[in-house]
Amino acid sequence: NAGVTQTPKFQVLKTGQSMTLQCAQDMNHEYMSWYRQDPGMGLRLIHYSVGAGITDQGEVPNGYNVSRSTTEDFPLRLLSAAPSQTSVYFCASSYLGQGAGETQYFGPGTRLLVL
Amino acid sequence: QKEVEQDPGPLSVPEGAIVSLNCTYSNSAFQYFMWYRQYSRKGPELLMYTYSSGNKEDGRFTAQVDKSSKYISLFIRDSQPSDSATYLCAVDSNYQLIWGAGTKLIIKP
Repeated sequence: NAGVTQTPKFQVLKTGQSMTLQCAQDMNHEYMSWYRQDPGMGLRLIHYSVGAGITDQGEVPNGYNVSRSTTEDFPLRLLSAAPSQTSVYFCASSYLGQGAGETQYFGPGTRLLVL
Repeated sequence: QKEVEQDPGPLSVPEGAIVSLNCTYSNSAFQYFMWYRQYSRKGPELLMYTYSSGNKEDGRFTAQVDKSSKYISLFIRDSQPSDSATYLCAVDSNYQLIWGAGTKLIIKP
């Protein structure tokens, strides 16, 4: 099993450009989520999905869109990149969700720089 | 006030030392307490979790929860250079994880 995979590993964007961060998992997990990680801020939840066709907002959803057409894939779209979106983005998955001690499996991350 | 507070460090100790990493939290309703380890340029991975109060031991690692003082700790015995990483605590609230900022740990050979 590859686990959770993310592409690209690194990306540089100009302000106003759009892009899609890809995330896929091969563990048949229902729950997938996107986080951003900034120095001193910890992990902040952007969007999450409890199954194909179902998505919801997390703590910091503004400027990002998601969709979940299959169990395996959960892409994150930046609509119009801003310097404040410079961060490291992690995709994570688990069997059912967050909480109750359930293990979250993280991808390797995408480092995004917005100029 | 953040719901989970964690000193970002860095914490630098010599090889073989006992390391103590700590978090405090504000909501007494939290039931699950987790420690994730994150190596440089990698995603976090679950190290240990504890339900409610008490201790849990796994090899050189011990997780401890004190619900009366809202304090969680991770102890590493006989620390190794390979333990150098960022350690994130996380707590469970209504089926949503709340994360600490992470403490960067450096073990000097």
